[in-house]
Amino acid sequence: QQQVKQSPQSLIVQKGGISIINCAYENTAFDYFPWYQQFPGKGPALLIAIRPDVSEKKEGRFTISFNKSAKQFSLHIMDSQPGDSATYFCAASIGNAGNMLTFGGGTRLMVKP
Amino acid sequence: GAVVSQHPSWVICKSGTSVKIECRSLDFQATTMFWYRQFPKQSLMLMATSNEGSKATYEQGVEKDKFLINHASLTLSTLTVTSAHPEDSSFYICSASQYTDTQYFGPGTRLTVL
Repeated sequence: QQQVKQSPQSLIVQKGGISIINCAYENTAFDYFPWYQQFPGKGPALLIAIRPDVSEKKEGRFTISFNKSAKQFSLHIMDSQPGDSATYFCAASIGNAGNMLTFGGGTRLMVKP
Repeated sequence: GAVVSQHPSWVICKSGTSVKIECRSLDFQATTMFWYRQFPKQSLMLMATSNEGSKATYEQGVEKDKFLINHASLTLSTLTVTSAHPEDSSFYICSASQYTDTQYFGPGTRLTVL
């Protein structure tokens, strides 16, 4: 049972464009939603995270938008750069940030120069 | 951010042998460590959760006798793949957290079983 669905599976964006990745979850008990960035052969690194008490969180070029009623959240990468080319995973957990994460399927982003 | 290391970064072994992978939290005490496996171009699948001093909790479908996890200290957890077979070839990643803090991931270990 896939509790966190992520789309698209792959994404190609021109340099300077906006990359948008979407996730939907089923379990209404989830209350912590992080995004991770993973480069080939490396472990995931935390990018940004949000809790349901806010609808948006911005850190630099990265923004999470959260829609609690729709059970959806998305990652926006503004002014996308070739160095942003990586695989992005959304995730969700219940309770504190150190609890078990359920990951989405991942999105392979390629930013063309 | 906090640093988590894994050793080795890659390992090649013969079928039937056992392989041990170490996961260390370098600058914090990890009360909980998680082990994931990741196949090429796929997502991370949680294998087990371990708390220091306690037996690991395995996810459904993960053979606990095949994937032995030991979390003997607050900075070290080990995953031993026993009697490895080619289908065990994968990218194994650990993560660690301190109490309620964020999970920090290790760089991963690529296991190839010939």
